[in-house]
Amino acid sequence: DGGITQSPKYLFRKEGQNVTLSCEQNLNHDAMYWYRQDPGQGLRLIYYSQIVNDFQKGDIAEGYSVSREKKESFPLTVTSAQKNPTAFYLCASSIEGLNTEAFFGQGTRLTVV
Amino acid sequence: KQEVTQIPAALSVPEGENLVLNCSFTDSAIYNLQWFRQDPGKGLTSLLLIQSSQREQTSGRLNASLDKSSGRSTLYIAASQPGDSATYLCAVYQTGANNLFFGTGTRLTVIP
Repeated sequence: DGGITQSPKYLFRKEGQNVTLSCEQNLNHDAMYWYRQDPGQGLRLIYYSQIVNDFQKGDIAEGYSVSREKKESFPLTVTSAQKNPTAFYLCASSIEGLNTEAFFGQGTRLTVV
Repeated sequence: KQEVTQIPAALSVPEGENLVLNCSFTDSAIYNLQWFRQDPGKGLTSLLLIQSSQREQTSGRLNASLDKSSGRSTLYIAASQPGDSATYLCAVYQTGANNLFFGTGTRLTVIP
């Protein structure tokens, strides 16, 4: 089964904690992305990576960090510096950049408790 | 900055109707436009991708058109079914921006 797997589906974070969201793909795509979705707003780009060991900030990178040590994996850490982390997080991949068709995972809903 | 608008925000139709969803964008310097479907609490499913040089794309009961010069795209759904109920999102890839700009979606309900 080819696709993008995000885990966990639901995640709860206490104030001041860092949490890491997992994203794995077996599509052999070079590019991977993290988006944040809030009610009533369009998806916003957090970080993207076009090749292993390289990544770039998107529109709302503050309070987030990523790594890209393997082609298949692009984990996102939500740090305590992110003041409003409650949101739905979506991981995506594409063969090259976003000029090629983007495929999305099923999302992780993060809630601060 | 590119802005993408989808109107209406919500739409209800009886089963069997043909319908059109609208997407408009402010900057015509796009590389492509993609339509997605999102079910509640789920990720996005890619429906159709139209390159800037194309006028339309078809997949089954779905047909998407693109008029780049006027900054518009439409998604036509033929013979709607209750299973088509979902939120439909359009996104444009801005040439040089390396980003997809998303609309806020149209929530479609098909009534049996």
